[in-house]
Amino acid sequence: DQQVKQNSPSLSVQEGRISILNCDYTNSMFDYFLWYKKYPAEGPTFLISISSIKDKNEDGRFTVFLNKSAKHLSLHIVPSQPGDSAVYFCAASASGTYKYIFGTGTRLKVLA
Amino acid sequence: SQTIHQWPATLVQPVGSPLSLECTVEGTSNPNLYWYRQAAGRGLQLLFYSVGIGQISSEVPQNLSASRPQDRQFILSSKKLLLSDSGFYLCAWSRGGGLLEQFFGPGTRLTVL
Repeated sequence: DQQVKQNSPSLSVQEGRISILNCDYTNSMFDYFLWYKKYPAEGPTFLISISSIKDKNEDGRFTVFLNKSAKHLSLHIVPSQPGDSAVYFCAASASGTYKYIFGTGTRLKVLA
Repeated sequence: SQTIHQWPATLVQPVGSPLSLECTVEGTSNPNLYWYRQAAGRGLQLLFYSVGIGQISSEVPQNLSASRPQDRQFILSSKKLLLSDSGFYLCAWSRGGGLLEQFFGPGTRLTVL
């Protein structure tokens, strides 16, 4: 049972435009969410997080939106740059569990 | 600052051979430690996590095991590798005590032939 889903395996965006990566979850106990960026043969790099008490968190070009009623979060990258080309994972956790459940990832390609 | 080390970076092992992957964290104390596997074209699967020395929680039944002999050391082992154990193994840590970001090591590429 996949509790965290990233339904788009890949996404192509023109440089300078907005990239929107989506993530859905099924467990209503999840209350902390993270986004990671991963290059091939490297460990994931933490990008941004959001707690369920918020609906938005910004850090530079990266913004994460959380819609608790829809059990949906999204990562917006504006403007997109070729260096953003990577696989992006969302992850979710519930208080007290110490575990993070990852989605299957979305491969973003930013075209120059 | 904190750093996380994993070794070896790549490993090719025959079926039936043992495995030992090591992970160490520097610059923090009492971290939560995690082992993940990423199979080809798939997401990150949590294998084990530990909130303290000697405390191991297993997420997926399999022929792998984990140990935490010291506060900042996490070891992934197998007595006999299977072909299906091939993948990219990642160690991660987070600060103990709550929901906080995880930080990943560089990973080990394991190929079982």
